[in-house]
This record gives sequence, C-alpha cells and structure tokens, in this order.
Amino acid sequence: DSGVTQTPKHLITATGQRVTLRCSPRSGDLSVYWYQQSLDQGLQFLIQYYNGEERAKGNILERFSAQQFPDLHSELNLSSLELGDSALYFCASSPRQSSYEQYFGPGTRLTVT
Amino acid sequence: GENVEQHPSTLSVQEGDSAVIKCTYSDSASNYFPWYKQELGKRPQLIIDIRSNVGEKKDQRIAVTLNKTAKHFSLHITETQPEDSAVYFCAATTRNSGNTPLVFGKGTRLSVIA
Repeated sequence: DSGVTQTPKHLITATGQRVTLRCSPRSGDLSVYWYQQSLDQGLQFLIQYYNGEERAKGNILERFSAQQFPDLHSELNLSSLELGDSALYFCASSPRQSSYEQYFGPGTRLTVT
Repeated sequence: GENVEQHPSTLSVQEGDSAVIKCTYSDSASNYFPWYKQELGKRPQLIIDIRSNVGEKKDQRIAVTLNKTAKHFSLHITETQPEDSAVYFCAATTRNSGNTPLVFGKGTRLSVIA
C-alpha cells in the first residue's frame, strides 16, 4: 500500500457524460500527478499540482480539468466522455518540490459505453 | 521534451535466468531514472531508481545501470522467479526547481516460465 488513495475503483458511464475522479495523496505529500493508462499503453502524464497550484501540464484534453484543494486532495474531471477515454487513471504523489520519488495510487478504471 | 524508448516490448525467460530491459532517453538534462513494476490490474510500484551521479545501483536481485554519455539505462533482474512476471516501465525526468513529471517508456511485459 503506497498510502495514496483513489476513489472510485471502478466507474462505468455513457458517452457524453461527466465524471469526477478523486485522489488523496500520502500524508505530507504536496505534489499530485495524474496519469492515464489505456489498454496496452504506457502511462501518459496529464497534469501536476503542487500545494494547490497547477505546476505542469501534459497531453491533457480540453475536456479534462483538475484541481487540488487546500487539504491537498485532488480531483480530475472528465467531461463529454468518449469511448476512447476508457482507461485506468492513476494519481501519484511526492513529498516536496525537490523530491524525485512518486508513489502511485491503486487507480480508477473508467469504462465509457 | 523528453522521449523515452524501451526495449523489448515482451520478454520471456526461464526461471532462474537473467532478464535485461533497456531504455534510451533523449534529454541530456534528465537526471533521475526510476523503474516501476506493474502487475495486472495493479498500480505501478517503484522497484529501483538511479540518479545521474552514479553509474550503477543494486538491490538484491535487481540492478540498474546508467550510461549518461550514450543516454541509456538498463534494468537487470537475476535469478528470475515466477513472481517477477509483470510489466516493467522505465521513466526519466529532470530535477528542476520543482518536481517534473515522469516520462515513461511503453513498458516491457516480462514472463518468467517455471
């Protein structure tokens, strides 16, 4: 157990809908990263937050957005869902700006039908 | 930006043999290279990492080597066991004033045959 939690574990929804994925970082970790893993694909970086502020952006679609709250948990919002958005969504956390290690949560499996 | 290539995409070895997975990176400024193991349906788990100021690091049956000049790094697993079967990802990143995201290779599916 990495100490990073994600909810829900599984999510099944229809095209066009909107969902929110939640991540709680390890206690004391300030950075949260979101990654998307499609079937048989590697991990694609979406977005990073550090202490409530957006720090870096990857290949995140305009239909997707995220935020990090004062208690440091983060939410990833996916809207106007398409079949191709079906994937595992992981968040990871790391302690400080200068820390290298990232610890991954268990992921949320999103299925869009 | 950084680009990480990983080879092979699949690897089958007999139990007890060694396995080697290789990655190359493009950004000479990258200075942190972790390896993650991901079992089916599970989260990626950090198994070993290396920083650019060392050339080799070992942890029991796992070792990682780094060649900064050639911009490649490798994962070596000795005396493989069935429980080593998983997908392994290499990654690279650059330490700046803030954390930078990891850029992952596409993964190697390792099968250890008993």
